[in-house]
Amino acid sequence: GQQLNQSPQSMFIQEGEDVSMNCTSSSIFNTWLWYKQDPGEGPVLLIALYKAGELTSNGRLTAQFGITRKDSFLNISASIPSDVGIYFCAGFWGGATNKLIFGTGTLLAVQP
Amino acid sequence: EAGVVQSPRYKIIEKKQPVAFWCNPISGHNTLYWYLQNLGQGPELLIRYENEEAVDDSQLPKDRFSAERLKGVDSTLKIQPAELGDSAVYLCASSKDPGREAFFGQGTRLTVV
Repeated sequence: GQQLNQSPQSMFIQEGEDVSMNCTSSSIFNTWLWYKQDPGEGPVLLIALYKAGELTSNGRLTAQFGITRKDSFLNISASIPSDVGIYFCAGFWGGATNKLIFGTGTLLAVQP
Repeated sequence: EAGVVQSPRYKIIEKKQPVAFWCNPISGHNTLYWYLQNLGQGPELLIRYENEEAVDDSQLPKDRFSAERLKGVDSTLKIQPAELGDSAVYLCASSKDPGREAFFGQGTRLTVV
């Protein structure tokens, strides 16, 4: 099926540390998107990936589209308190064009 | 450029009452999505529109939920009658083209009592 398994479920880190989270599936995805969601708000798009192997950065954030098209990861360097939130991966499933499916989320807490 | 606008932000209703949510997508965006998000979970797709056509409504509980996107711009999502289990955040998103990045509104938090 078209499920996205996101890990870890939660992370508690010190300010300044680097963070890595990933998203995997047994199915092929055509596009990977990474979002951040703050409490009471909608998800905000961080990075979009469209090609297998693509590595894209947005400030302190870096994401990669896995070469198998079944995974993606997001790295955050030198974390700061405002990085706190829930990070979601999402993908357009290869089996059904334009069906955008979300992962289960990673809760990030940053200790100042 | 204005983002996706949703209203209301919050809604509290009694069970068995009807409720409607409204979404105005980003100008020029042909694809519109409605998602349901339960606490602690990722968004789950309810329905996707390409212009005014509902191209994927397989996850929409059609016995009580309905949606429309007249003229291919604004959209409304309706629940009638609402049940306690419908309490959740309802998110609207839009994208310029199919398969491209989707942008979300702030959501409507529904509480059914």
